[in-house]
Amino acid sequence: GAVVSQHPSWVICKSGTSVKIECRSLDFQATTMFWYRQFPKQSLMLMATSNEGSKATYEQGVEKDKFLINHASLTLSTLTVTSAHPEDSSFYICSALTEGYEQYFGPGTRLTVT
Amino acid sequence: AQSVAQPEDQVNVAEGNPLTVKCTYSVSGNPYLFWYVQYPNRGLQFLLKYITGDNLVKGSYGFEAEFNKSQTSFHLKKPSALVSDSALYFCAVSARGGVADKLIFGTGTRLQVFP
Repeated sequence: GAVVSQHPSWVICKSGTSVKIECRSLDFQATTMFWYRQFPKQSLMLMATSNEGSKATYEQGVEKDKFLINHASLTLSTLTVTSAHPEDSSFYICSALTEGYEQYFGPGTRLTVT
Repeated sequence: AQSVAQPEDQVNVAEGNPLTVKCTYSVSGNPYLFWYVQYPNRGLQFLLKYITGDNLVKGSYGFEAEFNKSQTSFHLKKPSALVSDSALYFCAVSARGGVADKLIFGTGTRLQVFP
């Protein structure tokens, strides 16, 4: 089946610093990837849709200048949390869309901002 | 607006018994429906989808789901539960009725299978 990886799996950073999270489709090409955020014991909240070669589409209420998304190739999308604050601490999950229109999810990245 | 409801926060079932995890949806146009499973501190794993065709959809790990248009439901089922099925299950609908569109997730149902 389709495999999506995320790196790092967990990261701790200090308040005010920036953190980059990578999402890769390992065995397929994905023109579309999605970034989600999940709070403890809650559902996934879509943050943005990432399209290869174009600007990401952000959901209402998501700060595009804070959560920078770059989809530089058909197998890689990155999410950079800029000037992170403790309230940005969360579980970030990406997914990639296959040609069969199935979303395959990465294992997630747990971000803790101290 | 598209929405998905999972009315049960938790479902408990004994190993070997059949299980059902409920999901109802509200969409304009044709629904594209999905089930995902999440294990602790992990991403979501795709179980099955309904796009068109047979109302009974078979997926991974012995799970199946029945699409019922009149009841706007897409319940997840398995004839015989395993302890290893214990996890968090999410139902999702394609937001704008297009297969390639973003997904709207339900709030999740925690399945607990007891030995």
